[in-house]
Amino acid sequence: AQSVTQLGSHVSVSEGALVLLRCNYSSSVPPYLFWYVQYPNQGLQLLLKYTSAATLVKGINGFEAEFKKSETSFHLTKPSAHMSDAAEYFCAVRRANFGNEKLTFGTGTRLTIIP
Amino acid sequence: ETGVTQSPTHLIKTRGQQVTLRCSSQSGHNTVSWYQQALGQGPQFIFQYYREEENGRGNFPPRFSGLQFPNYSSELNVNALELDDSALYLCASSLGPGGLRPTSNEKLFFGSGTQLSVL
Repeated sequence: AQSVTQLGSHVSVSEGALVLLRCNYSSSVPPYLFWYVQYPNQGLQLLLKYTSAATLVKGINGFEAEFKKSETSFHLTKPSAHMSDAAEYFCAVRRANFGNEKLTFGTGTRLTIIP
Repeated sequence: ETGVTQSPTHLIKTRGQQVTLRCSSQSGHNTVSWYQQALGQGPQFIFQYYREEENGRGNFPPRFSGLQFPNYSSELNVNALELDDSALYLCASSLGPGGLRPTSNEKLFFGSGTQLSVL
């Protein structure tokens, strides 16, 4: 079975500061890992994904994440926060090489940007 | 905009009633997945349809059922509604269920969801 744990249901950072959203995974088989963003009253948008190629993955809007097998982590970072980054962020996992089978999501982290 | 449209956007039902939610997938996509997102939680996988057949199911009771039509649009039906069914229901479409190697099929395109309230 696969699962992800997002540490911190709410994170606040100042505009221009580093964004760090934490995600740890548990998987009995090699995982694929994803970060999604959800803006108010909208569906989920894929930020980036790890599919066993490069461990440092760059996504949209300046976000990136690093897969660390030794730490079972896939933390999301952005060097400089922008007001438009305020949203809910979800980490998700599924088994590698099993096509578009179900994603297992974390409980989400709400990111607030302080002007 | 993802090209995935869901209707209605909001719905209020009472306990015991039945509800049908609809999803139009992005053009060219033949796979639709449904997720339930309760307040303050991450989305939970309900089931997936590929070429009109169920292609995987999460831990939801049989009163959650679905259909996929020849044009690949989809319906989610919930019978005997319970208060705990109140949630945002998300539909996601993709180019296919994927295979053994990552391809462009990996990407899911989500709709904006239907907010269901059960009173």
